[in-house]
Amino acid sequence: EAQLVESGGGLVQPGGSLRLSCVASGFTLRDYWIHWVRQGPGKGLVWVLRVNGDGSITNYADSVKGRFIVSRDNAKNTVDLQMNSLGVEDTAVYYCVRGLGGNDYWGQGTLVTVSS
Amino acid sequence: SVLTQPPSVSAAPGQRVTISCSGSSSNIGNNHVAWFQQLPGTAPKVLIYHTNERPSGIPDRFYGSKSGTSATLGITGLQTGDEADYYCGVWDTSLSVYVFGAGTKVTVL
Repeated sequence: EAQLVESGGGLVQPGGSLRLSCVASGFTLRDYWIHWVRQGPGKGLVWVLRVNGDGSITNYADSVKGRFIVSRDNAKNTVDLQMNSLGVEDTAVYYCVRGLGGNDYWGQGTLVTVSS
Repeated sequence: SVLTQPPSVSAAPGQRVTISCSGSSSNIGNNHVAWFQQLPGTAPKVLIYHTNERPSGIPDRFYGSKSGTSATLGITGLQTGDEADYYCGVWDTSLSVYVFGAGTKVTVL
């Protein structure tokens, strides 16, 4: 059974950095695009970025471009999200999603809180 | 939002509801639409992908369709367990981003 488990969330001060990880199991990670989607408290879903199977293609939402960097290690079955220059507007639950828009699969999410 | 959904819809148990999602030629008009269900306190899950395909385990009470630059999610035989937020989503070719609608809250009266 496919599984995605996010970790690394927590409380960080404005201007700080945080690194999220998404660990995949039950399927071959390199066969899938992986997306990150976030949801602010009481808000809707917002797409953050995507990375293709071998990591050679990435797309980012304008709101995170230049601040967030995605990387993946298919051998370790992980996709990481390095988040820099965080602002209060980045406070959200961050979901790792396999193949968004297809017969996709979502992780349970990890909460990132940016506050002083 | 790039995609427009009604904020809420409601109906009695057993009835049918439809949720619209209006976009443009750069997204719905030329790409497949997905629909997501988010039950309170849980992660979203896909209900419909590729505009009208259901993952295994999703009952055929849920169906999707598209006409031009608008898509529709239908739910027949409404159940109390269907109370949730529903989002449409699609790739926008012009913006090179995936876009979601703002979400529609379904209430079973």
